[in-house]
Amino acid sequence: GEDVEQSLFLSVREGDSSVINCTYTDSSSTYLYWYKQEPGAGLQLLTYIFSNMDMKQDQRLTVLLNKKDKHLSLRIADTQTGDSAIYFCAESMYSGGYQKVTFGIGTKLQVIP
Amino acid sequence: EPEVTQTPSHQVTQMGQEVILRCVPISNHLYFYWYRQILGQKVEFLVSFYNNEISEKSEIFDDQFSVERPDGSNFTLKIRSTKLEDSAMYFCASSGSSVTGKAFFGQGTRLTVV
Repeated sequence: GEDVEQSLFLSVREGDSSVINCTYTDSSSTYLYWYKQEPGAGLQLLTYIFSNMDMKQDQRLTVLLNKKDKHLSLRIADTQTGDSAIYFCAESMYSGGYQKVTFGIGTKLQVIP
Repeated sequence: EPEVTQTPSHQVTQMGQEVILRCVPISNHLYFYWYRQILGQKVEFLVSFYNNEISEKSEIFDDQFSVERPDGSNFTLKIRSTKLEDSAMYFCASSGSSVTGKAFFGQGTRLTVV
C-alpha cells in the first residue's frame, strides 16, 4: 500500500535554512503536500506541488520533487522561531474513484534562537 | 484559496454519548473525506464519500461511525456511544475532480472523550 516516510525530528538555528525530507512509495501520486501543525492546532496547508513539476517556490518555502527517487523536500529559508512546529508530508493519488491522501508521521522542527 | 470549515473546533463529551462533527466543504466539490489524528500519531484515513454514499472506508470506520450529507452544504461525522479511544483530532477534507483534484483540509475538530 501507499506509505510516506519522514524523519521524526530536525533542529536548526534561527536564521539558518531548514530542509525537511520525505519519501513516498506510490509513483502514481497526483499531488504532494506539506502541512504545518502547531501544538494543539489543526493542519495548515503550507504548499503543494503537482506531480509533473520538479520545483515550486513560494516566498521562504521551496519544494523539490524528485519523481524518479520518490523524494520530496521542503526548504525553509531564514528559519524563524515561529516556524517551530510539526511538518507533515502527504501524497494524494487517484484510487477507487477518489483522491486518497496518505500522510507521513510528521517531522518536528525545533528552531533554536 | 477556498476553505473547508469545521465546527466546533473543540468538543468535550462523556463516554457513551453520541457526537456529531460538522464540516462545510468547498462549495463546488463533490468528494468528501474524514481523517483522524490521535495525539502524537499519524493522520489516518477514515472514510470517503461521493454521490451520497461511502466510496471507501478504513477498518477504523466501524459501525460506531456514520457520515451524512444532510443538505447541499454540510457533511457530518457521527460517532455513536463514544469511547475514550475516540479522543482525537478529526479532519474533514473535500476535493473537486476525482482524478486531478487537490484535497483541501479543514482545521480540524478536537474531540475529547472523558
